[in-house]
Amino acid sequence: AQSVSQHNHHVILSEAASLELGCNYSYGGTVNLFWYVQYPGQHLQLLLKYFSGDPLVKGIKGFEAEFIKSKFSFNLRKPSVQWSDTAEYFCAVLNDYKLSFGAGTTVTVRA
Amino acid sequence: GEEVAQTPKHLVRGEGQKAKLYCAPIKGHSYVFWYQQVLKNEFKFLISFQNENVFDETGMPKERFSAKCLPNSPCSLEIQATKLEDSAVYFCASSQGLAAHTDTQYFGPGTRLTVL
Repeated sequence: AQSVSQHNHHVILSEAASLELGCNYSYGGTVNLFWYVQYPGQHLQLLLKYFSGDPLVKGIKGFEAEFIKSKFSFNLRKPSVQWSDTAEYFCAVLNDYKLSFGAGTTVTVRA
Repeated sequence: GEEVAQTPKHLVRGEGQKAKLYCAPIKGHSYVFWYQQVLKNEFKFLISFQNENVFDETGMPKERFSAKCLPNSPCSLEIQATKLEDSAVYFCASSQGLAAHTDTQYFGPGTRLTVL
């Protein structure tokens, strides 16, 4: 079965700091990879997606993620965070047309 | 509509009571998915539909859970005889299709079910 691991449970950082959230998956075949964000009190929103082509994917709000096939990783990055980036971040893999999610990372940005 | 709509937002039931949740997918999307989020962070796939037809029900607890997507009606997820462990947020998502360019799942706001 597919599994997704997110290494950081809770990340606390200051505004303007750089952010990197780790994500590893277990499946060795072709994968579609996603990062979703859940802002406080809101529903899941798609940040970015990888399905083929350039392994460096750019998403909304200045986020990007890099797919490294040899490492089974899809880490999320943002060079300079803002207070409004405080949220839960979920990595997900699409397998058999259903999503498998990581446990999520809580990101708290201090003003 | 442009967003996945879910009702109600909150639902409280006593153990043994029935719970029914509704989902209206984005207009033009053929696939609907239900996920259960327990303990805030753990998502579990329940069931998916292709239009009115069940596509994948491998995640559904067979005994008490059922779901439907009927023409011209919101999709529904029903739990007969709720148990304490059914307390969770139930998310509905929809996608246009299954091909790589169309398989992004867009999520609704969720229904928080509390079983007392």
